[in-house]
Amino acid sequence: GAGVSQTPSNKVTEKGKYVELRCDPISGHTALYWYRQSLGQGPEFLIYFQGTGAADDSGLPNDRFFAVRPEGSVSTLKIQRTERGDSAVYLCASSVSGLPGELFFGEGSRLTVL
Amino acid sequence: SQQGEEDPQALSIQEGENATMNCSYKTSINNLQWYRQNSGRGLVHLILIRSNEREKHSGRLRVTLDTSKKSSSLLITASRAADTASYFCATDFSGNTPLVFGKGTRLSVIA
Repeated sequence: GAGVSQTPSNKVTEKGKYVELRCDPISGHTALYWYRQSLGQGPEFLIYFQGTGAADDSGLPNDRFFAVRPEGSVSTLKIQRTERGDSAVYLCASSVSGLPGELFFGEGSRLTVL
Repeated sequence: SQQGEEDPQALSIQEGENATMNCSYKTSINNLQWYRQNSGRGLVHLILIRSNEREKHSGRLRVTLDTSKKSSSLLITASRAADTASYFCATDFSGNTPLVFGKGTRLSVIA
């Protein structure tokens, strides 16, 4: 596609449930990033992939959060045992070749945990 | 954690006026970028300035960087209602660190 695509755009779930958020980056972009944005705040870094491997996962808040990119293209962010504090917009971005260049962002997946 | 701190948090101006937003950061950086975000949308890259550059222009945008003061400013000249958005600065510390974003400035341009 022409841009970064994220699905679902909106997800409402109950506390304790498992959630998957998907990101399809721009074709040919080797680097993929996940950020989380709470209301009125800037994006907060979660994890960065270069190809299939996680180059930096220092932003993942705890072991309930996990992300994969098995074929070096599409990535899935997985959240286990969701908590109300996980409610936020999860943003995915890609770049041509990795740090520190321009990031191309998707529209985000808004997660609401009831 | 958030490295950059934008100032002001919110800014309201009339169409045609200039808008200036500032960003301060705490540690030495490799590059600084500015992004724009319309309400409910993703972020869009505006401009990147390297640590050895002092000023860059792109259309109606002018970015300055003062590494001695650890600060940057974004100037939007002749603002338009369509410039209404949140603006974020983002920094990286080295070529191997991810971008760290500030909290943003919410700009409202009134027609």
